[in-house]
Amino acid sequence: AQKVTQAQTEISVVEKEDVTLDCVYETRDTTYYLFWYKQPPSGELVFLIRRNSFDEQNEISGRYSWNFQKSTSSFNFTITASQVVDSAVYFCALTSNNFNKFYFGSGTKLNVKP
Amino acid sequence: DADVTQTPRNRITKTGKRIMLECSQTKGHDRMYWYRQDPGLGLRLIYYSFDVKDINKGEISDGYSVSRQAQAKFSLSLESAIPNQTALYFCATRGQGGEAFFGQGTRLTVV
Repeated sequence: AQKVTQAQTEISVVEKEDVTLDCVYETRDTTYYLFWYKQPPSGELVFLIRRNSFDEQNEISGRYSWNFQKSTSSFNFTITASQVVDSAVYFCALTSNNFNKFYFGSGTKLNVKP
Repeated sequence: DADVTQTPRNRITKTGKRIMLECSQTKGHDRMYWYRQDPGLGLRLIYYSFDVKDINKGEISDGYSVSRQAQAKFSLSLESAIPNQTALYFCATRGQGGEAFFGQGTRLTVV
């Protein structure tokens, strides 16, 4: 069975703090893809990153970084020096190699206070 | 213009009414999806389609139907809306790289 767990329902930080959003996944597939999406208050879903199961390199994009660890089935997302504009709901998602379905976590709401 | 367009963006309808949510895309993708989002539940798959002749039920298809009129168009219908279908609905396409491209969402309220 495929499953994505985001245990943190809501996180509040003060601007400039670093924050890590956790994502744990379950899959029996050997080839799979992991994603992070951002949903700002306006409601749209914005693609942030895709990672395939064969690439465990961490990735950094500006203030964003992602830590993929197959040994713990985790794909965590860190925002460094958070800003108010980072306030959003963040979703982690999983799909298998055939891309038939996406499995979404329940989301983590991040509140960044000035 | 958005690559994936949903209409309407907001809709209030009465219990028992039929309503159609429309989705069109300009990305040229074959795969299209309808999801609903409820607070604390993430996105759940309603229906998905791999081409015009291939339509599949998702995890919560009861009470919904779909029509794939063309590669670019995929509509979702609620034949007889009920209040627990109040949610935010998203249409999405899937690219070759696997990532989903979402429409801006339709906020549906059934009263």
